Amino acid sequence: KAGVTQTPRYLIKTRGQQVTLSCSPISGHRSVSWYQQTPGQGLQFLFEYFSETQRNKGNFPGRFSGRQFSNSRSEMNVSTLELGDSALYLCASSWRGKDNSPLHFGNGTRLTVT
Amino acid sequence: AQSVTQLGSHVSVSEGALVLLRCNYSSSVPPYLFWYVQYPNQGLQLLLKYTSAATLVKGINGFEAEFKKSETSFHLTKPSAHMSDAAEYFCAVMANSGYSTLTFGKGTMLLVSP
Repeated sequence: KAGVTQTPRYLIKTRGQQVTLSCSPISGHRSVSWYQQTPGQGLQFLFEYFSETQRNKGNFPGRFSGRQFSNSRSEMNVSTLELGDSALYLCASSWRGKDNSPLHFGNGTRLTVT
Repeated sequence: AQSVTQLGSHVSVSEGALVLLRCNYSSSVPPYLFWYVQYPNQGLQLLLKYTSAATLVKGINGFEAEFKKSETSFHLTKPSAHMSDAAEYFCAVMANSGYSTLTFGKGTMLLVSP
């Protein structure tokens, strides 16, 4: 079974631009979550989608948004990029999206904002 | 609110020595607990999870963790370190809230010397 696939692996953008990251979950998984990883803040939760609905959201500004499609694939968008948005963005999927259903992570998208 | 504390941002061991990575959690209800490992330029790989079925949990690559409610701890151990174990390890807690949101510790970098 294929794992979580994130595209692209690397992105370089300029301040003020916007960016869209894509995530394909493990087949059959209905929950998709996004995390931001930086050296200073560590791993921080962005949002979770389940059956095309945003179910939970972390403490990030409105410039960060996401969506989930009917096939469970997900995208996240960051508008008006700032230097501090440079990070590794990790997508994770899980089967039930609750209880102890573990999250399976992709290899991430490394975003660099210049 | 939940939180996870990992003692020691870096742990150094010799090959063949015992590995002990410490994790303490804070949660108002019995949580679900996980250990993940991250190799350079990769995402997070699940090592093991605590599901309340047994306090001693065995994971992949010879790792295990023991849940101690009285100490609110979930330390990760491996009897004999291998060079390939060098990586960053994250402890995470998931509340029994109906969401699959993980709260991560800051991570511990395991260094293995020959």
